Amino acid sequence: GDSVTQMEGPVTLSEEAFLTINCTYTATGYPSLFWYVQYPGEGLQLLLKATKADDKGSNKGFEATYRKETTSFHLEKGSVQVSDSAVYFCALSALQTGANNLFFGTGTRLTVIP
Amino acid sequence: NAGVTQTPKFQVLKTGQSMTLQCAQDMNHEYMSWYRQDPGMGLRLIHYSVGAGITDQGEVPNGYNVSRSTTEDFPLRLLSAAPSQTSVYFCASRLGQTNTGELFFGEGSRLTVL
Repeated sequence: GDSVTQMEGPVTLSEEAFLTINCTYTATGYPSLFWYVQYPGEGLQLLLKATKADDKGSNKGFEATYRKETTSFHLEKGSVQVSDSAVYFCALSALQTGANNLFFGTGTRLTVIP
Repeated sequence: NAGVTQTPKFQVLKTGQSMTLQCAQDMNHEYMSWYRQDPGMGLRLIHYSVGAGITDQGEVPNGYNVSRSTTEDFPLRLLSAAPSQTSVYFCASRLGQTNTGELFFGEGSRLTVL
């Protein structure tokens, strides 16, 4: 079935370091891909998305490119800040019994230290 | 806008007790869903609904019931709670049926079953 495999955490970085969180997917159709972020004590919120191959999603300095040839959607940021500390979830939206449901990876906890 | 509102935020139950987690959204969203979040397992879909009067099972439906009598409300019922249902539960909603739409999450309900 459709699924997402996400880089295990936790990840600890110093402020201004480069961030990569790997995400690969398995899907039979043409899914949309998402990154959601969960700050402490809150629900998830959309960070960025890409709806077709070669699309690049971007928001708040984060980027991810939908790569069909490698079935990947890696999250990157050039210079992380302490405020980026959160749990990041890769997800895909796939048609299942008549509805497009969102399937999530296991999440990667990022801690940025000053 | 209130968005997606979940109640209660915290609940402790004894094995065998029943309870209902409430979820309401004020965005006139057709699609609503319930997830549970467990350490190392990400978010898993319990049940979802594509409109009033229509519900369907997700990945982990056993032990849970749902109904959708109105567009706004999507309660999740635990008929006989078990320790394995200790988790954080998230309700989420989305406008429409496409696979490109953003899912809006509530703040979560933390349930402990003793």
